[in-house]
This record gives sequence, C-alpha cells and structure tokens, in this order.
Amino acid sequence: EDQVTQSPEALRLQEGESSSLNCSYTVSGLRGLFWYRQDPGKGPEFLFTLYSAGEEKEKERLKATLTKKESFLHITAPKPEDSATYLCAVQAGSSGYSTLTFGKGTMLLVSP
Amino acid sequence: DGGITQSPKYLFRKEGQNVTLSCEQNLNHDAMYWYRQDPGQGLRLIYYSQIVNDFQKGDIAEGYSVSREKKESFPLTVTSAQKNPTAFYLCASIKGGNQPQHFGDGTRLSIL
Repeated sequence: EDQVTQSPEALRLQEGESSSLNCSYTVSGLRGLFWYRQDPGKGPEFLFTLYSAGEEKEKERLKATLTKKESFLHITAPKPEDSATYLCAVQAGSSGYSTLTFGKGTMLLVSP
Repeated sequence: DGGITQSPKYLFRKEGQNVTLSCEQNLNHDAMYWYRQDPGQGLRLIYYSQIVNDFQKGDIAEGYSVSREKKESFPLTVTSAQKNPTAFYLCASIKGGNQPQHFGDGTRLSIL
C-alpha cells in the first residue's frame, strides 16, 4: 500500500526565516510526486511535479527536491502570503490515469 | 478562462436525504476525480472516471454514487447510506496520465 507522511504537521515561521517541509513516501514504482498549496476553504493549487531522484524545481521562494525516499519543499525568506497548507501526493503504477495518494499536509503560518 | 466549477459552495443535508454535488470542467480533460477532505486528514479518493460512461471506486466509495454522461460533468451523489457525510468535497480533473490534477474550489457539506 502506498503511503505518504508529511512533517511537521504545523510550522510557524517569522517573515524571512527559511525552513523546509518534508514528505516521506513508500510506493511501488513512483511515476511522479506532486506538491500543492491549499488556502482555507479553497481547492489545492498545483505547485510542482517531480519525476525522478535528484530532480529539483523552483518557483519564486519555493524549491522542491526529490530523493528515492522523500521530498523537501524549501521555503526561502518566506512572506506572510506564503501561509497555507502544503500537500504532497505520489502517483504510482505503470501507465494510464493512476490515482494519487496524499499526505495529511503541513500547515504553514508566516508571521510578519 | 478554463477551469473546474463546483456547486454549490455550501450544502446542507437532512437525515435520510440524498444530495448531489455538481462538478463541471471546460478544460477538455479526460479523467475526473472526487475526493473527501476531513480536518487534519489527507484527501481520500471516492470515485474516479477516465472516460464517459465508465467510473471506478476509490478507497471510500461506500455511501456515494457518481455518473459520467458527458465528458465535462461528473456529479457526485451523497446517499442516505453515508452516515458521516460532513466534509469538504473536492473535484479534480486531469488531461494526461502524468499530468497534475487540477482542482475545483470544493463543496462543504453539513448535516442539518
């Protein structure tokens, strides 16, 4: 059974204080690992897809990395508008429209 | 603008009543998904559909039903058999097998 564990459950940062969120996974045949941002009362917003170990993606203050067992979402010099819940999901299987397994998310609060 | 529209935003169910949540997409995506999100929990898959007139059960399909008569539409019915329906329901769609899922802004269902 595919499993995704995100840590910490919640993280409070001061504006400008860099940190990392962790997503550990066990899956048979990883096809892709996805990061999403979710604001309260909204649907998840896609951030990144990572396909193979060693891959990195960047967008503004966010950088996602992938190893064979985990992914990190690094947040550099965060701002209050980065406050949200960050979700990690893995896609397994060989082909077709295989399903995603989601972690429970990390709730990030950035204080001014 | 293309996107996924979920309606209504809030829905209340009486005991013994079936209710239907709407999900419409104009992205020309092939596959559509329904998830349930509870506080502090990851997204759990209810049903998904890869083509019109075909759908598969997810991890928590009991007490729910779906139809896929048109490519653009994937309504979810929460039946009276679902004893704990209070949750945030999210609809998603995807163009291709390895592409990220795109989400609507959800429907919050509560019991009266």
